[in-house]
Amino acid sequence: GESVGLHLPTLSVQEGDNSIINCAYSNSASDYFIWYKQESGKGPQFIIDIRSNMDKRQGQRVTVLLNKTVKHLSLQIAATQPGDSAVYFCAETRGNTGKLIFGQGTTLQVKP
Amino acid sequence: GAVVSQHPSRVICKSGTSVKIECRSLDFQATTMFWYRQFPKQSLMLMATSNEGSKATYEQGVEKDKFLINHASLTLSTLTVTSAHPEDSSFYICSAHFEGANYGYTFGSGTRLTVV
Repeated sequence: GESVGLHLPTLSVQEGDNSIINCAYSNSASDYFIWYKQESGKGPQFIIDIRSNMDKRQGQRVTVLLNKTVKHLSLQIAATQPGDSAVYFCAETRGNTGKLIFGQGTTLQVKP
Repeated sequence: GAVVSQHPSRVICKSGTSVKIECRSLDFQATTMFWYRQFPKQSLMLMATSNEGSKATYEQGVEKDKFLINHASLTLSTLTVTSAHPEDSSFYICSAHFEGANYGYTFGSGTRLTVV
């Protein structure tokens, strides 16, 4: 199957700081991208999405940036809270009914 | 809306037995469902795409005779792990495509399979 089977990198931040989680995607034909949050033992939870005709989208405390030139996606979390501690995955697909392929993932640890 | 229910949440089985995992869309019809496997501290790996009324499409390297997928209705897809071995122990997650809003894909809560 697709996806990268590497161990997850970890980002450690202080509570209240901003977090930036990065992701490199693989398929230049992908046109829809989603960020998910996964807590231990649970399924992925939708955070924010962006289509390839945009380069930035904002939600509540979160911003996604898309750089198609270098196939890079980032998730910014403002004023990080302990409840934000989880694993974050980017996912890509071509067309919003196609296969959703997950990136490597990053573990976010928020220090009180 | 757009809730996917996955059962069981945890299962322990003996080597050589089969285990069935169910994935139900509760408030919408899912013509397409996806099955993923996730090993500890790794990403979700797509195993197969399940289409209602037709055969599942498996990703490269996934044994279709070992991981049987049935999508007999618009609200139910099942994954059966046949002749399970300890190396099949993993976290299995289903996902359904959801029409509308921003939530194109919704995920089940996952099934922790342990083969002893």
